[in-house]
Amino acid sequence: DIVMTQSPEFLAVSLGERATINCRSSQTVLSNSNNKNYFAWYQQKPRQPPKLLINWSSTRESGVPDRFSGSGSGTDFTLTISSLQAEDVAVYYCQQYYSTPWTFGQGTKVEIK
Amino acid sequence: QVQLQESGPGLVKPSETLSLTCDVSGHSFSSGYYWGWIRQPPGKGLEWIGSIYYSGSTYYNPSLKSRVTISVDTSKNRFSLKLNSVTAADTAVYYCARAPYSGYNGVSAFDIWGQGTMVTVSS
Repeated sequence: DIVMTQSPEFLAVSLGERATINCRSSQTVLSNSNNKNYFAWYQQKPRQPPKLLINWSSTRESGVPDRFSGSGSGTDFTLTISSLQAEDVAVYYCQQYYSTPWTFGQGTKVEIK
Repeated sequence: QVQLQESGPGLVKPSETLSLTCDVSGHSFSSGYYWGWIRQPPGKGLEWIGSIYYSGSTYYNPSLKSRVTISVDTSKNRFSLKLNSVTAADTAVYYCARAPYSGYNGVSAFDIWGQGTMVTVSS
């Protein structure tokens, strides 16, 4: 299984400041055949299902604010919230869909400082 | 607008079978998507259980494979999960979700999720 490890587990950021979450996979999730990273970021607010934010490591889903951006390749990835808003308080998960079993990181809880 | 809705018993006794259904509205089952189940124990992270293609081909998490069956009923626009021999460790919110699929790129991330249904395993 590919193990996904997120850091930090908790992150407190002031409103308007940058938030950065990291995720490392135990094996590469970059496909040689199409040069795509099979990697995603989700946002989960309390009592809600996860919401897909970023697909293919850096493609923002329709309707997702552009303050959210994804970067990285291979085994190391980053989710950046450029200017934290109150509505961004949530738990963020990374996921690989390169090989089954598809696996998630343990989550990073983002709060307002 | 595609919507997914889970349904099933909220309480299951230990050693019995957990059965859930996911009704899909706004979309007809056809090529182009995998349909999956993911669970989340209270206060914990996400665990992929398994996924099914409209044709019936399935992928299961090896950690649960011996106890899981996922099936699809295209005539009713729904897919189902059965998890047998449950224990308290199977207590979780169970989500159904959709993952786009293409022949070139393969499967993508889960882009649409149901609201989830809480299942408690207890006598």
